[in-house]
Amino acid sequence: DAEITQSPRHKITETGRQVTLACHQTWNHNNMFWYRQDLGHGLRLIHYSYGVQDTNKGEVSDGYSVSRSNTEDLPLTLESAASSQTSVYFCASSEGDSKNIQYFGAGTRLSVL
Amino acid sequence: QKEVEQNSGPLSVPEGAIASLNCTYSDRGSQSFFWYRQYSGKSPELIMSIYSNGDKEDGRFTAQLNKASQYVSLLIRDSQPSDSATYLCAVRSSNTGKLIFGQGTTLQVKP
Repeated sequence: DAEITQSPRHKITETGRQVTLACHQTWNHNNMFWYRQDLGHGLRLIHYSYGVQDTNKGEVSDGYSVSRSNTEDLPLTLESAASSQTSVYFCASSEGDSKNIQYFGAGTRLSVL
Repeated sequence: QKEVEQNSGPLSVPEGAIASLNCTYSDRGSQSFFWYRQYSGKSPELIMSIYSNGDKEDGRFTAQLNKASQYVSLLIRDSQPSDSATYLCAVRSSNTGKLIFGQGTTLQVKP
């Protein structure tokens, strides 16, 4: 079955380290998204992509970057991890049709100490 | 005013009752609306989408949309303890096409 997978599921790192969270989907969706979810803030969009070589900033993109070299993957990189980036990160994908239904991965819980 | 507003709850209903979850939005041009269910420690799961005014029913779930009032709701009939979760309302922005999420309503169904 087609799916969207995130890895790792849990990550502990230290401030200042570079961290990469993986997202891989097998639906052949054009659109991919990264969100973070924090108490009191709900789901907030970090970066998104509408196709290969396309990347765009969301509302909370500072300190994060993404690259889209193929349809299946959109890795999220924290350039220099900060304690404020401790959060749960969700990747999502959608077909890119008018309905824009997004399907979410299981999430990555990141702790920056 | 937040773009998508939901009462955070918790909303507590007895088993077998109807749970009514509400969401208001500010973008008058929005055309696509979604309800996601999120169990504690899990990812959001789509349960309903609605694009036209009126009601859309799927099993025990009914989504209601009123674009004039900028209001979308989710009714859960015959609520079960397994329905206890946080329900996220999402609206597709008419300007950017991106989904804007509310902060979610926590539903507790008591046996």
